[in-house]
Amino acid sequence: EPEVTQTPSHQVTQMGQEVILRCVPISNHLYFYWYRQILGQKVEFLVSFYNNEISEKSEIFDDQFSVERPDGSNFTLKIRSTKLEDSAMYFCASRVAEAGELFFGEGSRLTVL
Amino acid sequence: KQEVTQIPAALSVPEGENLVLNCSFTDSAIYNLQWFRQDPGKGLTSLLLIQSSQREQTSGRLNASLDKSSGRSTLYIAASQPGDSATYLCAVMPNYNLFFGTGTRLTVIP
Repeated sequence: EPEVTQTPSHQVTQMGQEVILRCVPISNHLYFYWYRQILGQKVEFLVSFYNNEISEKSEIFDDQFSVERPDGSNFTLKIRSTKLEDSAMYFCASRVAEAGELFFGEGSRLTVL
Repeated sequence: KQEVTQIPAALSVPEGENLVLNCSFTDSAIYNLQWFRQDPGKGLTSLLLIQSSQREQTSGRLNASLDKSSGRSTLYIAASQPGDSATYLCAVMPNYNLFFGTGTRLTVIP
């Protein structure tokens, strides 16, 4: 069964370092998303991406964050200069239609020291 | 702003029992509602998607209902099993992005 895959599963980094989280969405999907979940809190929307551009972003997604689809299969989230409060589980998600079922990856746990 | 609430926060039931999880949301203008399951430290597994024009959806032992006008959804799990133990998340889509509740942590005791 097709699935969203994410790498790495866990990354530990020092505050101020750049981090890139990678995702391979399901192959025929057109809409891509990043969400995050701080431990013990709700899953929160970060950004949506369609047709090679950001379609919507939350107030969490400030200038330190960027997304890219460098080729036909990968979708990346970059955090330019990590802060302690960026420690969270980051989920990539995709779907084939704008109002369709959303499929999530297993997540990348980011720990900022 | 859309707020999603799930009650109870935690539920413990003996194996074989039927149970209902509740989700309420403040803004009834939604495109759809999706229920997910999350195992500890894992990703979100989609269980059911209900479009705004639908009243319910069924998959195996799961049945989800949607009442947009009252801002409520329920997830019914029949004949619960220990493998159903997980956190169940409800998410609504008012603007093509999902807004999540805090979840109900379900424990099914063998």
